[in-house]
Amino acid sequence: DVVMTQSPLSLPVTLGQPASISCTSSQSLVHSDGNTYLNWFHQRPGQSPRRLIYNVSNRDSGVPDRFSGSGSGTDFTLKISRVGAEDVGVYYCMQGTHWPPITFGQGTRLEIK
Amino acid sequence: QVQLVQSGAEVKKPGASVKVSCKASGYTLTGEAMQWVRQAPGQGLEWMGRINTKSGDTHYAQSFQGRVTMTRDTSINTAYMELSGLMSDDTAVYYCARDDRGSAGGYWGQGTLVTVSS
Repeated sequence: DVVMTQSPLSLPVTLGQPASISCTSSQSLVHSDGNTYLNWFHQRPGQSPRRLIYNVSNRDSGVPDRFSGSGSGTDFTLKISRVGAEDVGVYYCMQGTHWPPITFGQGTRLEIK
Repeated sequence: QVQLVQSGAEVKKPGASVKVSCKASGYTLTGEAMQWVRQAPGQGLEWMGRINTKSGDTHYAQSFQGRVTMTRDTSINTAYMELSGLMSDDTAVYYCARDDRGSAGGYWGQGTLVTVSS
Protein backbone atom coordinates (compact mmCIF):
# COMPACT_ATOMS: atom_id res chain seq x y z
CA ASP A 1 0.00 0.00 0.00
CA VAL A 2 1.11 3.56 -0.67
CA VAL A 3 1.89 5.41 2.56
CA MET A 4 1.02 9.11 2.64
CA THR A 5 2.96 11.22 5.13
CA GLN A 6 1.90 14.77 5.98
CA SER A 7 3.81 17.48 7.77
CA PRO A 8 3.37 19.28 9.97
CA LEU A 9 0.64 17.49 11.90
CA SER A 10 -0.24 20.69 13.73
CA LEU A 11 -0.12 24.12 12.13
CA PRO A 12 -0.80 27.28 14.16
CA VAL A 13 -1.17 30.26 11.83
CA THR A 14 -1.86 33.95 12.34
CA LEU A 15 -4.90 35.30 10.50
CA GLY A 16 -3.92 36.74 7.15
CA GLN A 17 -0.63 34.86 7.04
CA PRO A 18 0.26 32.10 4.57
CA ALA A 19 0.27 28.40 5.40
CA SER A 20 1.78 25.37 3.73
CA ILE A 21 1.22 21.63 4.21
CA SER A 22 3.47 18.97 2.77
CA CYS A 23 2.45 15.48 1.67
CA THR A 24 4.92 12.79 0.65
CA SER A 25 4.01 9.45 -0.87
CA SER A 26 6.01 6.22 -0.52
CA GLN A 27 6.04 5.80 -4.31
CA SER A 28 5.45 7.97 -7.35
CA LEU A 29 1.80 8.90 -7.89
CA VAL A 30 2.09 9.25 -11.66
CA HIS A 31 -0.50 6.92 -13.18
CA SER A 32 0.05 5.03 -16.42
CA ASP A 33 -2.66 7.25 -17.95
CA GLY A 34 -0.46 10.30 -17.31
CA ASN A 35 -2.53 11.75 -14.49
CA THR A 36 -1.40 12.12 -10.89
CA TYR A 37 -4.28 11.31 -8.57
CA LEU A 38 -3.36 13.37 -5.54
CA ASN A 39 -6.23 15.20 -3.85
CA TRP A 40 -6.55 17.55 -0.89
CA PHE A 41 -9.50 17.71 1.51
CA HIS A 42 -10.55 20.04 4.29
CA GLN A 43 -12.68 18.90 7.20
CA ARG A 44 -14.18 21.36 9.65
CA PRO A 45 -15.17 20.07 13.10
CA GLY A 46 -18.40 18.11 12.92
CA GLN A 47 -18.60 18.29 9.12
CA SER A 48 -17.93 15.98 6.21
CA PRO A 49 -14.66 16.38 4.33
CA ARG A 50 -14.71 18.69 1.34
CA ARG A 51 -12.42 18.27 -1.62
CA LEU A 52 -10.38 21.38 -2.36
CA ILE A 53 -7.90 20.21 -4.98
CA TYR A 54 -7.92 17.24 -7.35
CA ASN A 55 -5.12 15.80 -9.46
CA VAL A 56 -2.42 17.87 -7.70
CA SER A 57 -3.37 21.37 -8.73
CA ASN A 58 -6.99 21.65 -9.92
CA ARG A 59 -9.25 23.65 -7.65
CA ASP A 60 -12.76 22.35 -7.16
CA SER A 61 -15.76 24.58 -7.86
CA GLY A 62 -16.26 27.25 -5.24
CA VAL A 63 -12.82 26.85 -3.69
CA PRO A 64 -11.18 30.26 -3.15
CA ASP A 65 -8.13 30.96 -5.27
CA ARG A 66 -6.03 31.48 -2.15
CA PHE A 67 -5.82 27.66 -2.07
CA SER A 68 -3.29 26.16 -4.42
CA GLY A 69 -1.79 22.72 -4.90
CA SER A 70 1.53 21.80 -6.45
CA GLY A 71 4.06 19.01 -6.68
CA SER A 72 4.97 15.96 -8.68
CA GLY A 73 6.10 12.38 -8.27
CA THR A 74 6.19 11.83 -4.52
CA ASP A 75 6.19 15.36 -3.09
CA PHE A 76 3.16 17.60 -2.93
CA THR A 77 2.17 20.84 -1.23
CA LEU A 78 -1.04 22.61 -0.35
CA LYS A 79 -0.67 26.36 0.14
CA ILE A 80 -3.06 28.90 1.57
CA SER A 81 -1.95 32.39 0.62
CA ARG A 82 -3.82 34.18 3.43
CA VAL A 83 -5.42 32.13 6.18
CA GLY A 84 -8.94 33.07 7.24
CA ALA A 85 -10.93 31.99 10.29
CA GLU A 86 -12.98 29.65 8.10
CA ASP A 87 -9.85 27.66 7.20
CA VAL A 88 -9.49 26.01 10.61
CA GLY A 89 -9.89 22.27 10.70
CA VAL A 90 -8.00 19.24 9.44
CA TYR A 91 -6.46 18.91 5.99
CA TYR A 92 -5.88 15.52 4.38
CA CYS A 93 -4.03 14.49 1.27
CA MET A 94 -5.20 11.37 -0.55
CA GLN A 95 -3.78 9.24 -3.34
CA GLY A 96 -5.99 7.47 -5.85
CA THR A 97 -3.29 6.32 -8.28
CA HIS A 98 -2.33 2.96 -6.76
CA TRP A 99 -5.60 1.46 -5.61
CA PRO A 100 -6.93 -0.56 -3.99
CA PRO A 101 -6.52 0.79 -1.47
CA ILE A 102 -6.96 4.53 -1.75
CA THR A 103 -4.88 5.96 1.08
CA PHE A 104 -4.99 9.17 3.10
CA GLY A 105 -2.40 11.12 5.00
CA GLN A 106 -2.71 11.36 8.78
CA GLY A 107 -4.17 14.84 8.63
CA THR A 108 -2.83 18.29 9.50
CA ARG A 109 -4.73 20.33 12.07
CA LEU A 110 -4.73 24.04 11.24
CA GLU A 111 -5.56 26.43 14.06
CA ILE A 112 -5.48 30.20 14.45
CA LYS A 113 -2.79 31.54 16.76
CA GLN B 1 -27.28 20.19 -7.48
CA VAL B 2 -25.54 16.99 -6.44
CA GLN B 3 -26.57 15.69 -3.03
CA LEU B 4 -25.80 12.50 -1.18
CA VAL B 5 -28.15 11.84 1.73
CA GLN B 6 -27.25 9.01 4.07
CA SER B 7 -29.40 7.02 6.45
CA GLY B 8 -29.59 7.86 10.13
CA ALA B 9 -27.45 6.91 13.10
CA GLU B 10 -27.42 3.30 14.23
CA VAL B 11 -26.62 1.54 17.49
CA LYS B 12 -25.65 -2.10 17.13
CA LYS B 13 -24.48 -4.89 19.40
CA PRO B 14 -21.18 -6.68 18.80
CA GLY B 15 -21.54 -9.36 16.16
CA ALA B 16 -24.46 -7.65 14.43
CA SER B 17 -24.54 -6.15 10.93
CA VAL B 18 -25.35 -2.65 9.75
CA LYS B 19 -26.48 -1.42 6.34
CA VAL B 20 -25.98 2.24 5.50
CA SER B 21 -27.71 3.82 2.53
CA CYS B 22 -26.60 6.77 0.42
CA LYS B 23 -29.32 8.30 -1.77
CA ALA B 24 -28.05 10.36 -4.67
CA SER B 25 -29.92 13.26 -6.18
CA GLY B 26 -29.10 15.85 -8.80
CA TYR B 27 -27.43 13.28 -11.03
CA THR B 28 -27.78 9.64 -12.11
CA LEU B 29 -26.08 7.24 -9.70
CA THR B 30 -24.48 5.25 -12.50
CA GLY B 31 -22.65 8.33 -13.75
CA GLU B 32 -19.79 8.14 -11.23
CA ALA B 33 -18.18 5.58 -8.92
CA MET B 34 -18.88 5.70 -5.20
CA GLN B 35 -16.31 5.30 -2.47
CA TRP B 36 -17.03 4.48 1.17
CA VAL B 37 -14.80 6.00 3.85
CA ARG B 38 -15.02 5.79 7.61
CA GLN B 39 -13.71 7.90 10.46
CA ALA B 40 -13.38 6.59 14.00
CA PRO B 41 -13.87 9.16 16.81
CA GLY B 42 -11.00 11.64 16.79
CA GLN B 43 -9.19 9.74 14.03
CA GLY B 44 -8.38 10.19 10.36
CA LEU B 45 -10.06 8.96 7.20
CA GLU B 46 -9.99 5.27 6.29
CA TRP B 47 -10.97 4.00 2.84
CA MET B 48 -13.25 0.97 2.91
CA GLY B 49 -13.92 0.31 -0.74
CA ARG B 50 -15.38 1.41 -4.04
CA ILE B 51 -18.32 0.39 -6.19
CA ASN B 52 -18.57 0.96 -9.92
CA THR B 53 -22.18 2.07 -9.86
CA LYS B 54 -22.70 1.22 -13.52
CA SER B 55 -21.45 -2.39 -13.48
CA GLY B 56 -21.76 -3.12 -9.76
CA ASP B 57 -18.10 -4.21 -9.61
CA THR B 58 -16.54 -3.68 -6.21
CA HIS B 59 -13.08 -3.35 -4.69
CA TYR B 60 -12.63 -3.58 -0.95
CA ALA B 61 -9.82 -2.69 1.41
CA GLN B 62 -8.02 -5.79 2.64
CA SER B 63 -8.91 -4.97 6.24
CA PHE B 64 -12.64 -5.27 5.46
CA GLN B 65 -12.55 -8.25 3.09
CA GLY B 66 -15.17 -10.79 4.01
CA ARG B 67 -17.08 -8.35 6.22
CA VAL B 68 -18.14 -5.58 3.84
CA THR B 69 -20.55 -5.63 0.93
CA MET B 70 -21.23 -2.64 -1.32
CA THR B 71 -24.26 -2.66 -3.57
CA ARG B 72 -26.49 -0.25 -5.40
CA ASP B 73 -30.10 -0.01 -6.55
CA THR B 74 -30.12 2.06 -9.71
CA SER B 75 -33.93 2.21 -9.77
CA ILE B 76 -33.88 4.42 -6.68
CA ASN B 77 -30.48 6.06 -7.20
CA THR B 78 -29.13 4.62 -3.94
CA ALA B 79 -25.87 2.99 -2.90
CA TYR B 80 -25.46 0.75 0.14
CA MET B 81 -22.66 -0.38 2.40
CA GLU B 82 -23.21 -3.34 4.70
CA LEU B 83 -20.69 -4.27 7.39
CA SER B 84 -21.06 -7.50 9.32
CA GLY B 85 -19.43 -8.96 12.41
CA LEU B 86 -19.38 -5.57 14.10
CA MET B 87 -16.87 -4.94 16.85
CA SER B 88 -16.48 -2.00 19.20
CA ASP B 89 -13.71 -0.54 17.06
CA ASP B 90 -16.13 -0.33 14.14
CA THR B 91 -17.71 2.58 15.98
CA ALA B 92 -17.24 5.40 13.48
CA VAL B 93 -18.86 7.83 11.11
CA TYR B 94 -19.34 6.18 7.72
CA TYR B 95 -19.32 8.35 4.60
CA CYS B 96 -20.22 7.76 0.99
CA ALA B 97 -18.26 9.91 -1.44
CA ARG B 98 -18.86 10.27 -5.15
CA ASP B 99 -16.07 10.58 -7.71
CA ASP B 100 -16.02 13.79 -9.71
CA ARG B 101 -13.94 14.79 -12.74
CA GLY B 102 -12.41 11.34 -12.73
CA SER B 103 -10.99 11.65 -9.22
CA ALA B 104 -12.21 10.43 -5.85
CA GLY B 105 -14.06 12.35 -3.19
CA GLY B 106 -15.75 15.09 -5.19
CA TYR B 107 -18.99 15.00 -3.20
CA TRP B 108 -19.64 13.56 0.26
CA GLY B 109 -22.67 12.46 2.19
CA GLN B 110 -23.35 13.92 5.62
CA GLY B 111 -22.06 10.80 7.34
CA THR B 112 -23.76 8.07 9.37
CA LEU B 113 -22.67 7.42 12.95
CA VAL B 114 -22.58 3.72 13.75
CA THR B 115 -22.08 2.92 17.42
CA VAL B 116 -21.22 -0.64 18.42
CA SER B 117 -21.86 -1.30 22.07
CA SER B 118 -23.11 -4.14 24.22
